[in-house]
Amino acid sequence: SYEVTQPLSVSVALGQTARITCGGNHIGSKSVHWYQQKPGQAPVLVIYGNGNRPSGIPERFSGSNSGNTATLTISRAQGGDEADYYCQVWDSTTAFFGGGTNLTVL
Amino acid sequence: QVQLQQSGPGLVKPSQTLSLTCAVSGDSISSNSAAWNWIRQSPSRGLEWLGRTYYRSKWFNDYAVSVKSRITINADTSKNQFSLQLNSVTPEDTAVYYCARHPSWLAFDYWGQGTLVTVSS
Repeated sequence: SYEVTQPLSVSVALGQTARITCGGNHIGSKSVHWYQQKPGQAPVLVIYGNGNRPSGIPERFSGSNSGNTATLTISRAQGGDEADYYCQVWDSTTAFFGGGTNLTVL
Repeated sequence: QVQLQQSGPGLVKPSQTLSLTCAVSGDSISSNSAAWNWIRQSPSRGLEWLGRTYYRSKWFNDYAVSVKSRITINADTSKNQFSLQLNSVTPEDTAVYYCARHPSWLAFDYWGQGTLVTVSS
């Protein structure tokens, strides 16, 4: 089993930069994906392969991964960014999700 | 545009079998570059990957250790859909169940709408 840890909550002022971390043993050697989930909806992929944005995802979303921590960065945070964010990796043939981080935009 | 449409009952009795189907449009489940997954979400367990099926000249399955003894994922190429069966359910299996696709870069890029399954007598 591979453990992936995220902070329960992160707050950011409107227009500022939010950083959400995802910790795991040597996670820098893995490919990390990030999902945004709003209440009552399925998760939406916002970053894949550590730092790649799917079509339709704003450039304000970016990702990095090194050592034991991967980071999702949301620049110029907006009210519409309020959501739960999950990181996800594969360890061998099993997918693992972090516990999720609730982002509040103040 | 890839779409995944889930169907199946929302209520299952304890000890019985949970069965869900995911119909795929916009892609072939026999694609050599995608895999078809089931994921569930509950307040107590968060997002939990359950397993996947994929075709690489023949069909393969991978399952999460936590459900490996109880789960079966099958592909139906004639209907371009795949299914989940989870046996011997308990109230702990109550969750929103999602089907999802991942392509070769292994991120879940398309998801079904989710099905709340409650295990209760």
